[in-house]
This record gives sequence, structure tokens and C-alpha cells, in this order.
Amino acid sequence: EDKVVQSPLSLVVHEGDTVTLNCSYEVTNFRSLLWYKQEKKAPTFLFMLTSSGIEKKSGRLSSILDKKELSSILNITATQTGDSAIYLCAVEARKAAGNKLTFGGGTRVLVKP
Amino acid sequence: GAGVSQSPSNKVTEKGKDVELRCDPISGHTALYWYRQSLGQGLEFLIYFQGNSAPDKSGLPSDRFSAERTGGSVSTLTIQRTQQEDSAVYLCASSLWLAGAYEQYFGPGTRLTVT
Repeated sequence: EDKVVQSPLSLVVHEGDTVTLNCSYEVTNFRSLLWYKQEKKAPTFLFMLTSSGIEKKSGRLSSILDKKELSSILNITATQTGDSAIYLCAVEARKAAGNKLTFGGGTRVLVKP
Repeated sequence: GAGVSQSPSNKVTEKGKDVELRCDPISGHTALYWYRQSLGQGLEFLIYFQGNSAPDKSGLPSDRFSAERTGGSVSTLTIQRTQQEDSAVYLCASSLWLAGAYEQYFGPGTRLTVT
């Protein structure tokens, strides 16, 4: 059974701090790893990673995949209160019926002023 | 352009009743997913449609849950004989397969409350 585990479950930081979120996975026929930010109901897409060792960056957010370690990290630098959200990691795997996403449980981030 | 839409946005139903949730994917997207998010939990995969292939139903929690996708577009998720544990936000997402990579676009979700 495919599995995606995120850590920590939650964390509280102050504005300006840097946070690092972890995602580890065990899937067969890995295709890609995706990060989402969920503030209300629907997650918004952040990054998709397919190649190991290549960092993707968007403003203060960056992410990198380590296929050898079956893991990824999401970094947020100079955090702001607007970064408070649940951050979801999902892994896409190729299955007989097509491609399937397995989500981790998420990391809840609270940024205090 | 228009994103993924879902209806209703909120649904309150009595235990034992059937409900239907609708998802209109982005036009031209070949893949459609249904997920469920219960309070404080991550997204739970329910069912996946890709083109004309048989759907991947491996995530459906019980035989009370079923889904259809008509004409490769609109999808309906049906929950029969609802139970209180079915209360959750039901999210639909669609994607377009492009050269081995894609993004999922999520709808706003339907919040289902079973009383």
C-alpha cells in the first residue's frame, strides 16, 4: 500500500522564522511529488517535483526531492502570518488504472506576529 | 478561464438519506479525482477517472459510495444511506495529462453535514 508521511504534524513559529517541512513516501511506480497549501477548503498547488536534487523555488518557498531517500522538504523563509496554513504533500504513482495521488496527513503551520 | 466547480457548496442531510455531489471539471481535462477531507485530517483519495479507462475505485470507503462521470466531463459522487461519519468536505480535482506531467486543479468543495 502506498504511503506518504509528513512531519512535523504541526508547528508554531514567529514572523521572520524559517520553517522546514518534511515528506517521506513509500510508493510503487513513483512519478512525481507535489506540495499544496491549504488555507480553507481547497488546496492550492505549490510545486511538482520529478527529478532528484533539483530545487524548485517560488518567492520565499522552495522545495527539493531526494529520490534516494524517498523524501522531500519544503522550506519557507522569512515567514509571514499569511503563510499560516496546512501544507500537504502528495505523491503520484503509476497504477494499472492510471495515475493516482496519495496524500500525506499534512503539516499545520501557524505563524505568529 | 473557468475553474473546477462543485455543487452544492454546502449540504445538510439527515442520517440515512442519499446525497449527490456534482463536479464540473475544467473543459478538456481528461482526469478527474474525488477526495474527502474530514475535520483535522489530510485529504483522502476516493475515486479517479482517466479518459475512457475503468475508474480507480480503490479509495471508496464502502459500497454506499459510488461515482459516475458522464461523457468524460461532469461527475457525480453519490453517497447512499448517509452516516454521521460521512460528514466532511468533498473535493473534486481535474487535470490534463501533458507529456508525463500535470497539475491538479481543485474545486471549492462541498461541505457535507450528516445530522
